[in-house]
Amino acid sequence: AQSVTQLGSHVSVSEGALVLLRCNYSSSVPPYLFWYVQYPNQGLQLLLKYTTGATLVKGINGFEAEFKKSETSFHLTKPSAHMSDAAEYFCASKPTGTYKYIFGTGTRLKVLA
Amino acid sequence: EPEVTQTPSHQVTQMGQEVILRCVPISNHLYFYWYRQILGQKVEFLVSFYNNEISEKSEIFDDQFSVERPDGSNFTLKIRSTKLEDSAMYFCASNPGQGRLWELFFGEGSRLTVL
Repeated sequence: AQSVTQLGSHVSVSEGALVLLRCNYSSSVPPYLFWYVQYPNQGLQLLLKYTTGATLVKGINGFEAEFKKSETSFHLTKPSAHMSDAAEYFCASKPTGTYKYIFGTGTRLKVLA
Repeated sequence: EPEVTQTPSHQVTQMGQEVILRCVPISNHLYFYWYRQILGQKVEFLVSFYNNEISEKSEIFDDQFSVERPDGSNFTLKIRSTKLEDSAMYFCASNPGQGRLWELFFGEGSRLTVL
């Protein structure tokens, strides 16, 4: 079965430090890939997506992600963390030929002052 | 920006009772979804709905679950006889089907607690 794996359920970084949240997918055909953010008591908000074309994708709030087919990865990065980035981040895939999206287990990002 | 709205935000029910969770997707969206998130676990797909019928459902979505879009605006999830393990946050989502293809827009969720 196709799956999405997020390494690290909790990640802590200092304010101003690099943020790196890892995501790997399992699929023989590259799916559409997404990163969503969830702030407390809110729904999921799209940060960025990869469908086709450029493998480096820029999203909102200074986040970007790079699709690497050879590594089946779609890691999320931000050069400099801000306190407001503290939230839970979900990687998701939409395999071709299906309506459903498969989510990872989420990574809770903590930003230390 | 238009939003997906869900009601109620929190519902507590007794095991065996019927529950209806309501969602108003973004108007002009064509695809509709229910997902759930059991506390501390991953977001799980339940069902997708397109053109007034279920387009795909997961193994979780058994005969106890049903969805409908009765009036062209509301999209409801019904659980006929709730079980303890149905306690979760239920998210509705919609997708425009064109333009911003395959972007899911989520509501803020309905927390269901089954006692």
